[in-house]
Amino acid sequence: EIVMTQSPATLSVSPGERATLSCWASQSVRSNLVWYQQKPGQAPRLLIYGASTRATGIPARFSGSGSGTEFTLTISSLQSEDFAVYYCQQYNNWPPEVTFGQGTKLEIK
Amino acid sequence: EVQLVESGGGLVQPGGSLRLSCAASGFTFSSYAMSWVRQAPGKGLEWVSAISSSGGYTFHADSVKGRFTISRDDSKNTLYLQMNSLRAEDTALYYCAKAQADFWSGYSVSWGQGTLVTVSS
Repeated sequence: EIVMTQSPATLSVSPGERATLSCWASQSVRSNLVWYQQKPGQAPRLLIYGASTRATGIPARFSGSGSGTEFTLTISSLQSEDFAVYYCQQYNNWPPEVTFGQGTKLEIK
Repeated sequence: EVQLVESGGGLVQPGGSLRLSCAASGFTFSSYAMSWVRQAPGKGLEWVSAISSSGGYTFHADSVKGRFTISRDDSKNTLYLQMNSLRAEDTALYYCAKAQADFWSGYSVSWGQGTLVTVSS
């Protein structure tokens, strides 16, 4: 099983500042990686797929990068609505093997 | 607007069964693969099962293989998850989710609000 590890577990950032979240895969997943945002009491929302493609309706301040085993989600200028938990998820191999990271909580500093 | 409404959750004893449903609207249900993802209370996300648009391909996580079965009824725009031999560790909020295309590529673009399953004696 491919293990996804996110860092840090909690990230404290001030509004308007830049946030950088990291995700590592235990083996290469090529670009088969997505990022979700989840706010308390809500379902996850797809932000990024294919490691770097923004999903429909996602603001340009969200960007994803990386391939292979190292990935990054960057939020260029944090808005109040961006404080949430962020999960990375890989979808590799055939038949599809899907595993999530444990999440990074982005909180207001 | 895509709407996914889950139902069928509840309290069940270990070893029991439950069938979850997901009523879909706002898109052509028969054209999209669908999946179930769960989240234990206060924990992270775990993919459970997926099904292609035709229903011909189904996939299950190892943790539920042989116990859970995903299916769909396109005439009712409804996705199902039959859960048998339930265990305490199956306790979670179960989300229904829509894929990006007709085939399950591994991720979901739209999610319902979930239905809670509690396995306890």
